[in-house]
Amino acid sequence: NAGVTQTPKFQVLKTGQSMTLQCAQDMNHNSMYWYRQDPGMGLRLIYYSASEGTTDKGEVPNGYNVSRLNKREFSLRLESAAPSQTSVYFCASSSLTGGNTEAFFGQGTRLTVV
Amino acid sequence: DQQVKQNSPSLSVQEGRISILNCDYTNSMFDYFLWYKKYPAEGPTFLISISSIKDKNEDGRFTVFLNKSAKHLSLHIVPSQPGDSAVYFCAASDAGSGNTGKLIFGQGTTLQVKP
Repeated sequence: NAGVTQTPKFQVLKTGQSMTLQCAQDMNHNSMYWYRQDPGMGLRLIYYSASEGTTDKGEVPNGYNVSRLNKREFSLRLESAAPSQTSVYFCASSSLTGGNTEAFFGQGTRLTVV
Repeated sequence: DQQVKQNSPSLSVQEGRISILNCDYTNSMFDYFLWYKKYPAEGPTFLISISSIKDKNEDGRFTVFLNKSAKHLSLHIVPSQPGDSAVYFCAASDAGSGNTGKLIFGQGTTLQVKP
C-alpha cells in the first residue's frame, strides 16, 4: 500500500519554464490537495479537489493550475515558473468520512526556480 | 493573517521528560484540530486529533488538550523519546462549511529530545 505518491522528488527549473507535478493515491479517497511549505510559514493550501471532477482555489493559487485526472490522480502545473515558487510541494488526500479531516501526505517535491 | 499560530519555533527537552507544544487559533468556526509530525525530507504524518466537542484526547504517549474559550490547544508527549525529535505542525479545519477537508496549518515547532 503506497499511500500518496508524488513525482518528481526534486526539480530545478529556470524562470519561465513550465512543469507538472504528479500525484496519485491508492486509498480510494475522494478529496485531494496541493500544499506548499515555505520556511516559517507552515503549509499553505494551493488548490484542492473535494471530489472527482471538481477543483477549487486554496489560499495561494496564483501561478498554478490543477487537473483532477481521475479519482486517483491530481496534478499541479506551473505554466511559467518564478523564483517565488521555489518551495517544497506536498500532495495530500483525505476520505472525509464521519467528519474526519485527517489528510495523508506524499513525501514532497522540492522545487527550485533559478 | 495567521489563523493558526505556533509561537515557539523550537523546543528542547531531556529524554524521559514531558514535551509540551502549544498552538493558538483565531477562527472560532474551527471545529476539528490535528497535530502532524514531520521528519526531514518526508511528508507530514498524522499524529492525533481532537474535535471541538471534546477537551482532551489521548493516544498512548500523546495527549492533546483543547481550551475553546482561550482558543488554545496543546500537545503533551510523555515520556519524550529521541525518536520524537521532529517538526510538529498544528492544523485546524472548519468541517461545518461543506466539509472540504481544507487544513490551516501553524508555522511548526521543532522539537529536539536530548538523550
